[in-house]
Amino acid sequence: QVTLKESGPVLVKPTETLTLTCTVSGFSLSNARMGVSWIRQPPGKALEWLAHIFSNDEKSYSTSLKTRLTISKDTSKSQVVLTMTNMDPVDTATYYCARIPGDYFDSSGYYFDYWGQGTLVTVSS
Amino acid sequence: EIVLTQSPATLSLSPGERATLSCRASQSVSSYLAWYQQKPGQAPRLLIYAASNRATGIPDRFSGSGSGTDFTLTISSLEPEDFAVYYCQQRSNWPPTWTFGQGTKVEIK
Repeated sequence: QVTLKESGPVLVKPTETLTLTCTVSGFSLSNARMGVSWIRQPPGKALEWLAHIFSNDEKSYSTSLKTRLTISKDTSKSQVVLTMTNMDPVDTATYYCARIPGDYFDSSGYYFDYWGQGTLVTVSS
Repeated sequence: EIVLTQSPATLSLSPGERATLSCRASQSVSSYLAWYQQKPGQAPRLLIYAASNRATGIPDRFSGSGSGTDFTLTISSLEPEDFAVYYCQQRSNWPPTWTFGQGTKVEIK
């Protein structure tokens, strides 16, 4: 059974750095055909993709946010970590991690088949 | 960067009616398009991938079609549990970046 679960602070202050952890089970991050993305959703708004880490540890970032984002993984802990610097109230959102069941060149390497439940992060002083 | 435009923003229908949702890409995405359903307080759920393939466990009243720049999600006969927001999504080739449409809300009329 594939599951993903996000964890991290519920509240952060403006200018602080947010660190979120996605703990996965039911598949291995060292699998050559699996990747994990972070996606966020401000209250009442649409989904916004943030970052992705491929099986070979290559990373990709949202063009508009890449200077603030870092994604990494610890395969021994089955965790994918996202850090976002210089948080602002507009970054208030539910943050999701989601799995992609394929690599860059795979026909399945673009859609999200499993999602975590999401974690709401509020940015406020 | 490829932009996905969904229409309409809101669709007001009654149970049993047919729903037709549109997603248009600013440039061709071939058939690499997916659709998701999201209910309030829940994570999105994959419905359709590769434009027309239903994900595991998705009822056959959901169907997808299209290729290139124009895509459609059809719900043949709305069930009460189908009233939700629907998003389309694609991945750009290089650099690999992912984008979602702004969503279509299917609400009870």
